[in-house]
Amino acid sequence: EDQVTQSPEALRLQEGESSSLNCSYTVSGLRGLFWYRQDPGKGPEFLFTLYSAGEEKEKERLKATLTKKESFLHITAPKPEDSATYLCAVQAGNTDKLIFGTGTRLQVFP
Amino acid sequence: GAVVSQHPSRVICKSGTSVKIECRSLDFQATTMFWYRQFPKQSLMLMATSNEGSKATYEQGVEKDKFLINHASLTLSTLTVTSAHPEDSSFYICSANTGGDSTDTQYFGPGTRLTVL
Repeated sequence: EDQVTQSPEALRLQEGESSSLNCSYTVSGLRGLFWYRQDPGKGPEFLFTLYSAGEEKEKERLKATLTKKESFLHITAPKPEDSATYLCAVQAGNTDKLIFGTGTRLQVFP
Repeated sequence: GAVVSQHPSRVICKSGTSVKIECRSLDFQATTMFWYRQFPKQSLMLMATSNEGSKATYEQGVEKDKFLINHASLTLSTLTVTSAHPEDSSFYICSANTGGDSTDTQYFGPGTRLTVL
C-alpha cells in the first residue's frame, strides 16, 4: 500500500535556526513528490515538485531534496512568516491522485 | 502561478439542507479537478476526482449520492452536499490539475468551511 510519513509532527524554531523536515514514502512507481505549505484556514500553496532521486529545488529560504525513499525540506534561517504546516504528497502509478502525509506544523519564534 | 477559487468561503446551514460549493480555475483550463475534505489538525483526504464531461470517480467510503459532483466545463466543478448533517461539517478544498505538460501539479483553492447546525 502506498504510504507517506512526515516527521516531526511539530517543530518549534527560533528565528534564524535552520532545520529540516522529513517525508518518507513507500509507493509503487513514483511519478512525482510535491511539497505544499498550508496556513490555518486556507488551502495548500504549491511549493515544489520533485521527480527523480538526486533532484533539488530552491525557493527563497526553502530547499527540497529527493532520494529513492525520502524527501527533505530544508529551511535556512527561518523567519516567523515561515510558520505554517508543510505537507508532502506523492503521485504514483497511473493515477493523478495525490497521497498526502499528515504534515509538519512549523512555528518560528522571533 | 495557476489560480483556483472557491465559493463560498464559509457556509452555515441547518441539518437536512443541501449546500453547493463552486470551484473555478481562473487562468487555466482544468481537465481534472479534485475534491478533498480536511478535519481539524488532520491532512487532506481525497473524496473524488472529476473530469470535464464525465462522471466523477469517488474514493472508497465516500457516498456518491450524498456528495454530488458536477464538472460541466473546463473551468468549473461543483460539489453539492445533499441533506447535510452535523457530521458533514468540515473544511472542503478543491484542486485543479493544470495538465498539458509533465508536471501534473495540483493547485488548490482557498477552501470552504461548512458548518451544519
